[in-house]
Amino acid sequence: AQSVTQLDSQVPVFEEAPVELRCNYSSSVSVYLFWYVQYPNQGLQLLLKYLSGSTLVKGINGFEAEFNKSQTSFHLRKPSVHISDTAEYFCAVRENAGNNRKLIWGLGTSLAVNP
Amino acid sequence: DGGITQSPKYLFRKEGQNVTLSCEQNLNHDAMYWYRQDPGQGLRLIYYSQIVNDFQKGDIAEGYSVSREKKESFPLTVTSAQKNPTAFYLCASHGGSGPPSTDTQYFGPGTRLTVL
Repeated sequence: AQSVTQLDSQVPVFEEAPVELRCNYSSSVSVYLFWYVQYPNQGLQLLLKYLSGSTLVKGINGFEAEFNKSQTSFHLRKPSVHISDTAEYFCAVRENAGNNRKLIWGLGTSLAVNP
Repeated sequence: DGGITQSPKYLFRKEGQNVTLSCEQNLNHDAMYWYRQDPGQGLRLIYYSQIVNDFQKGDIAEGYSVSREKKESFPLTVTSAQKNPTAFYLCASHGGSGPPSTDTQYFGPGTRLTVL
């Protein structure tokens, strides 16, 4: 069955430090991969997505993610975080099958950037 | 300005009352979704609709109902049968300007429902 695991529920980090938020998935077919960010009491905003092609994907706000098919991972990285990056981050997967549009979601990682 | 609107932002209701949450999109997307979000539980799918006049139950449909009479509107009713309705509710639509394989889900700002 398709599933998404975000390995860390909380990640504290100091401002200007690098960060990696980990995401692993399981699926028997090829997938599309997404990272979304949610600021407090707001909806989700798409950070980046992998559909095909280059496995290194660049998104908004200086984030990037790398698709690793052999390890079924799609980890999110930023080389230097800001206070304003404090938010909840969600990894999601969509199976590349027919008209399927449903996303399978991880439980989220809360990133806390401290001064 | 294209996007998804949800109203109201905050909603309070007494236990036992039905309540309807609004979701409107002007993105011309066919598919729309309702999610429920509780702390530490991520997003759980309540209902989704791939096309007008058609919708399917998601993972936690019990106690909820929807309609899809117009492409741009997908209201969610939280009925008195929902045992624990207090949560943050998110509406999303799914589409894009390219091939279907490139479609992305876009989210509204959410409605926080509190049942007293």
